[in-house]
Amino acid sequence: DQQVKQNSPSLSVQEGRISILNCDYTNSMFDYFLWYKKYPAEGPTFLISISSIKDKNEDGRFTVFLNKSAKHLSLHIVPSQPGDSAVYFCAASKGGSEKLVFGKGTKLTVNP
Amino acid sequence: DAGITQSPRHKVTETGTPVTLRCHQTENHRYMYWYRQDPGHGLRLIHYSYGVKDTDKGEVSDGYSVSRSKTEDFLLTLESATSSQTSVYFCAISDKQGYKQYFGPGTRLTVT
Repeated sequence: DQQVKQNSPSLSVQEGRISILNCDYTNSMFDYFLWYKKYPAEGPTFLISISSIKDKNEDGRFTVFLNKSAKHLSLHIVPSQPGDSAVYFCAASKGGSEKLVFGKGTKLTVNP
Repeated sequence: DAGITQSPRHKVTETGTPVTLRCHQTENHRYMYWYRQDPGHGLRLIHYSYGVKDTDKGEVSDGYSVSRSKTEDFLLTLESATSSQTSVYFCAISDKQGYKQYFGPGTRLTVT
């Protein structure tokens, strides 16, 4: 049973435009959410996170939105740059648990 | 960047042979994790550790064992490698439960 779902395996956008990556979760106990970026032949790197007490968190060009009632979060990248081309993983955890649950990832391609 | 190294970085081995992958950290983090990444599956947790000699199973633990005799080292062992264990293996560390994890560079394992 997949608790964290990224339903779009890939996304292609033009440089300068907005990239929106989506993630849905099924476990209402999740209270902390993260996005990771992964380049080929490298380990995933932490990008941005949000706790369930907030509905938005910004860090530069990256903004994560959380809609708890819909069990949905999204990552907005504005403006998108070719260097943003990577696989993006959504992850979630519930209070007191050591583990993160990851989605399958979305491959973002930003075209010059 | 968090101080995490993995060794070896690449390995080719034959079916039925034992294989041990090593993760070493210099951050003194309590929690350590082993994941595998496969196309279409994202990151799946194999085993994790919440302290020296304290380990537990993840979602894909069959065929794998782990050991942690020191805070800084977490070993993943495939007792008898199979072709289905061909994958990229990532180690991760964390200093808080359910909080962000820092990933190592990965080990690409091929079982022929």
